[in-house]
Amino acid sequence: VIWMTQSPSLLSASTGDRVIISCRMSQGISSYLAWYQQKPGKAPELLIYAASTLQSGVPSRFSGSGSGTDFTLTISCLQSEDFATYYCQQYYSFPRTFGQGTKVEIK
Amino acid sequence: QVQLVQSGAEVKKPGASVKVSCKVSGYTLTELSMHWVRQAPGKGLEWMGGFDPEDGETIYAQKFQGRVTMTEDTSTDTAYMELSSLRSEDTAVYYCATGPSRFDYWGQGTLVTVSS
Repeated sequence: VIWMTQSPSLLSASTGDRVIISCRMSQGISSYLAWYQQKPGKAPELLIYAASTLQSGVPSRFSGSGSGTDFTLTISCLQSEDFATYYCQQYYSFPRTFGQGTKVEIK
Repeated sequence: QVQLVQSGAEVKKPGASVKVSCKVSGYTLTELSMHWVRQAPGKGLEWMGGFDPEDGETIYAQKFQGRVTMTEDTSTDTAYMELSSLRSEDTAVYYCATGPSRFDYWGQGTLVTVSS
């Protein structure tokens, strides 16, 4: 099983801030990493796959980087609609695993 | 464009079973690898199992082995997830999700409440 450590669990930020969320794997996964955004009462939505490829329709203020064991999700200029919970997920091997989630809240 | 529409909310007693459906449109089920993910109230996402196209088998998370069964009806393009021996800790929203390895598409979720 590939264990994932996502940090921080809670991030307080203001509109316009640059925020960075980290995801660390217990073993290397190449670039088989996805990031999801989830708003309350809604299903998660895919933001980024292959560690750094933006899903169609996702604003360019979102970006992903990393490979192997260390990955980051960056939101360059936080907008009001970005306050949500973010999850990383590896699809390198079974069982698929998710990070614990990072809630981005208004400061 | 894939659309996944799940069955409605369920209330079950401890020890019972629940079967959640996920109707596919836009593609046929045979073209997709379906997975199931659950989310307990206020908690994170938990992968339950899904189809591995490399092996042609459904893989279950060890936590659910023996209690979960994932099936497909290709004649109606509907996937099913059945969870048995329900306990209060199984109260959660259950999602079907699919995509080329990652999860591009998600169902709207089905709330399963386990309560006596």
